[in-house]
Amino acid sequence: EAQVTQNPRYLITVTGKKLTVTCSQNMNHEYMSWYRQDPGLGLRQIYYSMNVEVTDKGDVPEGYKVSRKEKRNFPLILESPSPNQTSLYFCASSFNGVDTEAFFGQGTRLTVV
Amino acid sequence: GENVEQHPSTLSVQEGDSAVIKCTYSDSASNYFPWYKQELGKRPQLIIDIRSNVGEKKDQRIAVTLNKTAKHFSLHITETQPEDSAVYFCAARRSSASKIIFGSGTRLSIRP
Repeated sequence: EAQVTQNPRYLITVTGKKLTVTCSQNMNHEYMSWYRQDPGLGLRQIYYSMNVEVTDKGDVPEGYKVSRKEKRNFPLILESPSPNQTSLYFCASSFNGVDTEAFFGQGTRLTVV
Repeated sequence: GENVEQHPSTLSVQEGDSAVIKCTYSDSASNYFPWYKQELGKRPQLIIDIRSNVGEKKDQRIAVTLNKTAKHFSLHITETQPEDSAVYFCAARRSSASKIIFGSGTRLSIRP
């Protein structure tokens, strides 16, 4: 089954404790991206990747890192999480980064206390 | 910077009536406009998209119109049904940039 898989689905952590949210897709998509969803603000793009070893900042990259060492994986790293990073996070992939459908993962609800 | 404004933020319509959601974008080079539906507790899913070389696209009860001159596009849902209740997001992207900008979302409720 074609899908985008994120882990974990729920995470509660403390300020400053490094964490990684994994994202994997099995559709051989070139383009992958991360979003955060906050009430009233919609989906805001954090980082995106056009292909392996190619990443770029979205609209809200501060406090986040990503890597794209393999085509299928695109982990989101929070080196020192802060409470303002409490949010619902979605990973998505698409065939290209131009005009094709984005397939979203199930979401990760992160709480930083 | 680039921006997509979406209105209204909430919309309640009687079952069977039509619903219209409108978006305005700032980047005149935008040429791809998808709409996503997010049901409660679920992930966003594409319901329809339009490219800048067409003015309208229809898929059963859903249609999208695009006015490039005015830089706005709209989602039209006819004969609304309870399963149409969800949050809808518009988005805009230009082919020369891989950033996509989403609107802030519209929560659509269908009254029985």
